Amino acid sequence: KNEVEQSPQNLTAQEGEFITINCSYSVGISALHWLQQHPGGGIVSLFMLSSGKKKHGRLIATINIQEKHSSLHITASHPRDSAVYICAVDGNQFYFGTGTSLTVIP
Amino acid sequence: NAGVTQTPKFQVLKTGQSMTLQCAQDMNHNSMYWYRQDPGMGLRLIYYSASEGTTDKGEVPNGYNVSRLNKREFSLRLESAAPSQTSVYFCASSAGIGETQYFGPGTRLLVL
Repeated sequence: KNEVEQSPQNLTAQEGEFITINCSYSVGISALHWLQQHPGGGIVSLFMLSSGKKKHGRLIATINIQEKHSSLHITASHPRDSAVYICAVDGNQFYFGTGTSLTVIP
Repeated sequence: NAGVTQTPKFQVLKTGQSMTLQCAQDMNHNSMYWYRQDPGMGLRLIYYSASEGTTDKGEVPNGYNVSRLNKREFSLRLESAAPSQTSVYFCASSAGIGETQYFGPGTRLLVL
C-alpha cells in the first residue's frame, strides 16, 4: 500500500494548456512538498504546504488537509515544464509518490 | 553557494565491493538525508541525520551505513555491494526536520 498516490502517472499536453497533477495521501502530515525532477535527474523543491494555497510564477499548489489531497497546477504550460513532478508528505517520516511524468509538446 | 554536492556522479561496482558516497552542503543546514530512487518505487529514505551527531534509520537502511562527519558532510557506505543496490542515490539537506529539502544531483550506481 502506498501512503502517497499521484495521478496521472503520465501526462502529455500541448504548449499553453492548463495542467493539473493530483496527490492523495493516507497518513497524518505536518507538511506536503511538491518536487520537480528534471530530465537530467536533478531534483528541485517547488513548494512546501501545510494549508491553503501557494503560487510561484505559473505554478500553483493547493492542499485540503481534511480531504488529504493536494493539487499542482501549471498555467500556460511550456516545453521547459517537461519533467517528473513528485509529491512528498512529511508524516512520522517522509513518504514519496512515484511521480507524474509531464511532457509538454510545442 | 554550491548547495548540495555529491561525489561520485557515476560508479560501477562488482558484487561484494565496498564504497562510500560523499555528500556535502554549504547552507548551514542541520538535517541531512540519503535516498535511493528506483523505477516505479519513487524516492525511499535510507538514513537521515536530524542534526550533527545523530543518525537514524529510514525506510530501507539494510546494507548501508552512514556517518555524519560534521555539520556539512553526510556519507553513505555500502560495505558489501549487491546488485539490488543498483540505483540512483540522492542526498538532501534541510534547515531542520520538516523544512524544505534541497537535493544534490544524484549518484548513479551500478552493481554487477
